[in-house]
Amino acid sequence: QVQLQESGPGLVKPSETLSLTCTVSGGSISSYYLGWIRQPPGKGLDWIGYIYYSGTTNYNPSLKSRVTISVDTSKNQFSLKLSSVTAADTAVYYCARLRGTSSSLGWFDPWGQGTLVTVSS
Amino acid sequence: DIQMTQSPSSLSASVGDRVTITCRASQSIISYLNWYQQKPGKAPKLLIYTASSLQSGVPSRFSGSGSGTDFTLTISSLQPEDFAAYYCQQSYSTPFTFGQGTKLEIK
Repeated sequence: QVQLQESGPGLVKPSETLSLTCTVSGGSISSYYLGWIRQPPGKGLDWIGYIYYSGTTNYNPSLKSRVTISVDTSKNQFSLKLSSVTAADTAVYYCARLRGTSSSLGWFDPWGQGTLVTVSS
Repeated sequence: DIQMTQSPSSLSASVGDRVTITCRASQSIISYLNWYQQKPGKAPKLLIYTASSLQSGVPSRFSGSGSGTDFTLTISSLQPEDFAAYYCQQSYSTPFTFGQGTKLEIK
């Protein structure tokens, strides 16, 4: 079955750019929608954005000015970049496949295990 | 943005109990509502999609219902492995938004 795995630095300095990669195994991402979600410690879930394998993106307006999601179908990977980070960006970052019906996108399944990124000097 | 409000925020129950968690949307989302279970230190797991469709492999004691603005997740007979946090998520429009979560604890 499809599995996802996040990777990247666990510590990022304030004002720098957070960069994470999600590697998908067990299936080709060609035809997939793929998303990023984050969870600050002890808090709830926040949707960051998603990308279609063709490169079309949709970002949360609250982060849109700082977020870039890209895809590399040759490596079966997609990536997240979040610029100008502050302590408020400290969170567990999850990647997930975004599923849906023929008329609308909807639910995240499966999810990667998540990776904690701490913003601190 | 569509606001999702879950109630209660926390709940104590016993093995074998029937439990209901409610999720209310700030506007109609038709049936574009999904439910997840999250155990400590783990990623969320999809339980229910489009309000009432049971994800493959999820036990039948889990069920979802509702439409419009009001939705419920019901666990018919709590098992020890069900003690976890539960989140609803609307997929009617972006930005996708989640409820604040309901923590289900052992009484």
